[in-house]
Amino acid sequence: GENVEQHPSTLSVQEGDSAVIKCTYSDSASNYFPWYKQELGKGPQLIIDIRSNVGEKKDQRIAVTLNKTAKHFSLHITETQPEDSAVYFCAAPRGGGTSYGKLTFGQGTILTVHP
Amino acid sequence: DAGVIQSPRHEVTEMGQEVTLRCKPISGHNSLFWYRQTMMRGLELLIYFNNNVPIDDSGMPEDRFSAKMPNASFSTLKIQPSEPRDSAVYFCASSPQGFYGYTFGSGTRLTVV
Repeated sequence: GENVEQHPSTLSVQEGDSAVIKCTYSDSASNYFPWYKQELGKGPQLIIDIRSNVGEKKDQRIAVTLNKTAKHFSLHITETQPEDSAVYFCAAPRGGGTSYGKLTFGQGTILTVHP
Repeated sequence: DAGVIQSPRHEVTEMGQEVTLRCKPISGHNSLFWYRQTMMRGLELLIYFNNNVPIDDSGMPEDRFSAKMPNASFSTLKIQPSEPRDSAVYFCASSPQGFYGYTFGSGTRLTVV
């Protein structure tokens, strides 16, 4: 099955700085890589995703990059704001590209943005 | 759209008691997933259903855990008997068939004392 490693486990930045979270995966057949944001007391929420046929995707201050050769993908948050403080999870399909949508999640990164 | 609805939000029970967690997925979503979240193990997939049929329950920790989906709008996760190590936040998520972009519920925080 898929193994997903996420780093760092905690990340502290000043407001306005950039934040980068990295994940590696083991199954070369994986073809979809989502990122979730979890705020305190809530369930994870999908914030951005990327498919294996593209190398980068942006949505306002958030971007995700994918390196299929090295089997890693990263979340980039620019101009961070205090409301970006949360736990961020990366994920990859379990068992490669199955049709039922099973995901393996990374261990999470606690992002703290200091005003 | 009310999203994925879970109940109860919090549950405190004594060891040995039966616990039932409930989930209503988003209408039209064919896939439903039960995850457990703990500090030590992160987010673990327990079981998932496709079109109300259990597809993979290999993540269910032991026979004390069972899950059902009697129709497209309702699923339950039952623990009987409960143990302190079952304390965790249990999430239900749903998605359109074959789509990995889950929508999670707000979770049920279970505490077994």
